[in-house]
Amino acid sequence: QITLTESGPTLVKPTQTLTLTCTFSGFSLNTPGVGVGWIRQPPGKALEWLSLVYWHGDERYSPSLKSRLTVTKDSSKNQVVLTMTNMGPVDTATYYCAHTEVPDTMFDYWGQGTLVTVSS
Amino acid sequence: QSALTQPASVSGSPGQSITISCTGTSSDVGTYKFVSWYQQHPGKAPKLMIYADTKRSSGVSHRFSGSKSGNTASLTISGLQADDEAEYYCCALAGIRNLVFGTGTTVTVL
Repeated sequence: QITLTESGPTLVKPTQTLTLTCTFSGFSLNTPGVGVGWIRQPPGKALEWLSLVYWHGDERYSPSLKSRLTVTKDSSKNQVVLTMTNMGPVDTATYYCAHTEVPDTMFDYWGQGTLVTVSS
Repeated sequence: QSALTQPASVSGSPGQSITISCTGTSSDVGTYKFVSWYQQHPGKAPKLMIYADTKRSSGVSHRFSGSKSGNTASLTISGLQADDEAEYYCCALAGIRNLVFGTGTTVTVL
């Protein structure tokens, strides 16, 4: 059974760096073809893809946010960490991590999401 | 990259069929066979319904089907039921290394 859980601060101040951790079970990031993605959703708005990291270390980022994002994986801990620098109020959103596999690149298992509010 | 374009809302009566469109470009929807569709009920995480343009995710009702023509993908829900009322999003591979979601469609069961 695949599960993913996001954790991190619920409130960050403008200009701060956000660090979110996705802890998963039921699969390994050492398995060829497996990846973990990050997606966010501002309140009342659409989903937005942020990042992907694959088993072999390939990292992918949304072109519009690439300069602010870093994703790292720790396969031994079954964790993926997303950092986003220079947070602003527009970054207030629910942040999800999700499991994916090549080649279909779909998100078939999702965490419950964590709401991050950016406010001073 | 711009979000894929979906109609803001689609409605239908119980038992009817509805179709949600997802329009992209030749750089995303039109090139790669990787369009997926997600259903999201209020306050819940999205649920994968369709992937690889037309494949139904495990456990998803046969009432849901996906198709694609050119730069437009579509999700059809037949035999509309009350529980189908939700937000629906498409997602496509864009330029090989990126992904892009659609603008979202609210489905209302009248």
